[in-house]
Amino acid sequence: EDQVTQSPEALRLQEGESSSLNCSYTVSGLRGLFWYRQDPGKGPEFLFTLYSAGEEKEKERLKATLTKKESFLHITAPKPEDSATYLCAVQAGSTLGRLYFGRGTQLTVWP
Amino acid sequence: GAGVSQSPSNKVTEKGKDVELRCDPISGHTALYWYRQSLGQGLEFLIYFQGNSAPDKSGLPSDRFSAERTGGSVSTLTIQRTQQEDSAVYLCASIRESGANVLTFGAGSRLTVL
Repeated sequence: EDQVTQSPEALRLQEGESSSLNCSYTVSGLRGLFWYRQDPGKGPEFLFTLYSAGEEKEKERLKATLTKKESFLHITAPKPEDSATYLCAVQAGSTLGRLYFGRGTQLTVWP
Repeated sequence: GAGVSQSPSNKVTEKGKDVELRCDPISGHTALYWYRQSLGQGLEFLIYFQGNSAPDKSGLPSDRFSAERTGGSVSTLTIQRTQQEDSAVYLCASIRESGANVLTFGAGSRLTVL
């Protein structure tokens, strides 16, 4: 049973066209929700951690938000270098690095 | 080291052969995790080490999979009698467990079983 579902699976944006990626989760007792970026042939790279509903975090053109059932990764005026797969993961138990990952959203930004 | 180092980066093997994948975590990181990323699937937890002990092996898919960690540092994931369904990218990550609880991943070892 999937605990983390990401949508869409793939997203193509023109440079400057803002959009949002969705991550819905069904775990109880959320300890943290994580966003990672993964480039081809590389391991996931940490972006954000969110802990409670209403929390928001920003980094350059990215902003992550959290509700009780889902998280959004908003991308404002994306550039081609933002092209990557964005992974969402949740920590449900007490083990810090024991995460449940979604399948990711593959983002392509074209000039 | 500066980052998590994994070797080999690519491994092609024949069905039935044994393979060993190595992970060298960030110096000072006490916890080490192995994940598997299969085509079209999310990252799947395999096993976690705290020091040299493995409190959680629940993600290992079969008894053909084993892992060990020595000196609180390097870890080896061993797959015996490989099968085609073992083909995947095996990712190692480490965490300090004090301060920011953020997993730092290596680049992975891509395993292809023919």
